[in-house]
Amino acid sequence: ELKVEQNPLFLSMQEGKNYTIYCNYSTTSDRLYWYRQDPGKSLESLFVLLSNGAVKQEGRLMASLDTKARLSTLHITAAVHDLSATYFCAVVPFQGAQKLVFGQGTRLTINP
Amino acid sequence: DAGVTQSPTHLIKTRGQQVTLRCSPKSGHDTVSWYQQALGQGPQFIFQYYEEEERQRGNFPDRFSGHQFPNYSSELNVNALLLGDSALYLCASSPLRSGTISFYGYTFGSGTRLTVV
Repeated sequence: ELKVEQNPLFLSMQEGKNYTIYCNYSTTSDRLYWYRQDPGKSLESLFVLLSNGAVKQEGRLMASLDTKARLSTLHITAAVHDLSATYFCAVVPFQGAQKLVFGQGTRLTINP
Repeated sequence: DAGVTQSPTHLIKTRGQQVTLRCSPKSGHDTVSWYQQALGQGPQFIFQYYEEEERQRGNFPDRFSGHQFPNYSSELNVNALLLGDSALYLCASSPLRSGTISFYGYTFGSGTRLTVV
């Protein structure tokens, strides 16, 4: 059964710093998604990564995928307070699967 | 363009009762999935509906059931509520005729916060 693990689970950082969230998954998958969730709110889609070596960037966030290592990273550059949220990675467990398997989430707090 | 809408937003029920949650998918979407998100956890897949049929189910007991209507809207029913059923229930939709998760993933609703006391 596919397992998705994120680390760290909690991250407190200062504005202006850089940091990386890691997402490891246990079996082969051809799609990985990153979502953002604000407290009490729904999930907002950030990135979809479809192939080995894929890199996507939006503002201060950049996501990458290494399917051979079964690893995705979400890199935050020069963090700002507005990026405080919980970030989830999610993986399609096999081709044709009807579900996403989510990691536990990384709660990111960015302090002024 | 309305996204995924869920109702109610909050609900308090007593252990042993039954509850029905409702979801209207985003316009142009025909596939609806339900997820349970316990506090501090990632969402867990309950089941997916497409063409009014349950296509796949996660590891949830039969107390969890659902329905999809011809207009693509969906209901999640939970019988014999347990304290452990307290969670945020998220509905997610995927584009028309996809029958599966589109390459762009799901659009999620804002959820229904269910508290069982």
